[in-house]
Amino acid sequence: AQTVTQSQPEMSVQEAETVTLSCTYDTSESDYYLFWYKQPPSRQMILVIRQEAYKQQNATENRFSVNFQKAAKSFSLKISDSQLGDAAMYFCAYRSAVGKLTFGKGITLSVRP
Amino acid sequence: DTGVSQNPRHKITKRGQNVTFRCDPISEHNRLYWYRQTLGQGPEFLTYFQNEAQLEKSRLLSDRFSAERPKGSFSTLEIQRTEQGDSAMYLCASSPAYDRENQPQHFGDGTRLSIL
Repeated sequence: AQTVTQSQPEMSVQEAETVTLSCTYDTSESDYYLFWYKQPPSRQMILVIRQEAYKQQNATENRFSVNFQKAAKSFSLKISDSQLGDAAMYFCAYRSAVGKLTFGKGITLSVRP
Repeated sequence: DTGVSQNPRHKITKRGQNVTFRCDPISEHNRLYWYRQTLGQGPEFLTYFQNEAQLEKSRLLSDRFSAERPKGSFSTLEIQRTEQGDSAMYLCASSPAYDRENQPQHFGDGTRLSIL
């Protein structure tokens, strides 16, 4: 079975600074997808960024980028120019070629003004 | 684009009662997923449907839980004889059924269940 590990329960960043959230996973599959989701307090979970395992190029979405290290099974999220609205719980998730998501425990990100 | 809709938003019930939640997916999405999220944890997979067929069920889905998706549209999740441990947020998500594509799952706001 696949597992996703987010070992940092909380992180804090100064507004306008850069922060990196860590995630590792374990799988024996070669074809899979990785996602970062954001869940603001009492609000809907939304997709931040996605990465296909077969792509070597790291995904980027505006201020969000990933560092995908397939051999190390590592998938970290970098948030540049942090904004107050980035404060939320962030979940790393794994998906096989088809089907369910397997989530990590999440990390709570706070942004200091 | 209408998102995933879940009802009710909150449900408070006494232990031993039955509860039913509803999820309306995004209209063109034929895959529908149910997850359970307890406080401070990541969502855990319960079950998923492609159209009306239930393709996978987690071991978390005990015999007190049943999910249906008649006609491949909305879905219901029923919990019979609720227990304290059932208190959680129940999340529904949907996605298009394009295999080998990076189609993300879109989540609803969830139904928060509290067992007294």
